[in-house]
Amino acid sequence: GENVEQHPSTLSVQEGDSAVIKCTYSDSASNYFPWYKQELGKRPQLIIDIRSNVGEKKDQRIAVTLNKTAKHFSLHITETQPEDSAVYFCAASSPTSGSARQLTFGSGTQLTVLP
Amino acid sequence: NAGVTQTPKFQVLKTGQSMTLQCAQDMNHNSMYWYRQDPGMGLRLIYYSASEGTTDKGEVPNGYNVSRLNKREFSLRLESAAPSQTSVYFCATTGGAHTEAFFGQGTRLTVV
Repeated sequence: GENVEQHPSTLSVQEGDSAVIKCTYSDSASNYFPWYKQELGKRPQLIIDIRSNVGEKKDQRIAVTLNKTAKHFSLHITETQPEDSAVYFCAASSPTSGSARQLTFGSGTQLTVLP
Repeated sequence: NAGVTQTPKFQVLKTGQSMTLQCAQDMNHNSMYWYRQDPGMGLRLIYYSASEGTTDKGEVPNGYNVSRLNKREFSLRLESAAPSQTSVYFCATTGGAHTEAFFGQGTRLTVV
């Protein structure tokens, strides 16, 4: 099955600096890569996603890049703000024997933005 | 329009007790999932259901059973709870292959 590794597990940055979180995946059949943000005690919520036919996607201060050859993708947050502090999860969507696709998550990165 | 609703939000069980976690979605999605979340381990897939009437094992199915009652509801049952099943459980649903997963609010389960 798919295996997703995520680094770093914790990341502290000064407000206004950039943050980068990196993930690798193992299954070359994976073709959809979402990123989720989870605030303390809350449910994970999608912040950005990318499909395998695209190399980069941006949404305001957030961007994701994908390198299919190397099987890695990264989340970039620019001009960080205290409200960006949360746990971030990467995921990879791979085919299953049924019609559903299996979403495999990384272990998470605790981002802390210091004021 | 509630999205994905899980019950209960909190539960304490004694070792060996059984319980069922309920999940319902009003998004008309075919696929539903049960994940468990443990510190430092992300979300791990327990079981999933591609459509009404079908269920499949995920990464960590041992000790659990599921029922896809209809298109809206997907329940997770612990027949004989163990302390290792102490976790936060999330139900999720997706509308298609490359679409967002919507999560319920989670169930915090403690087995003593």
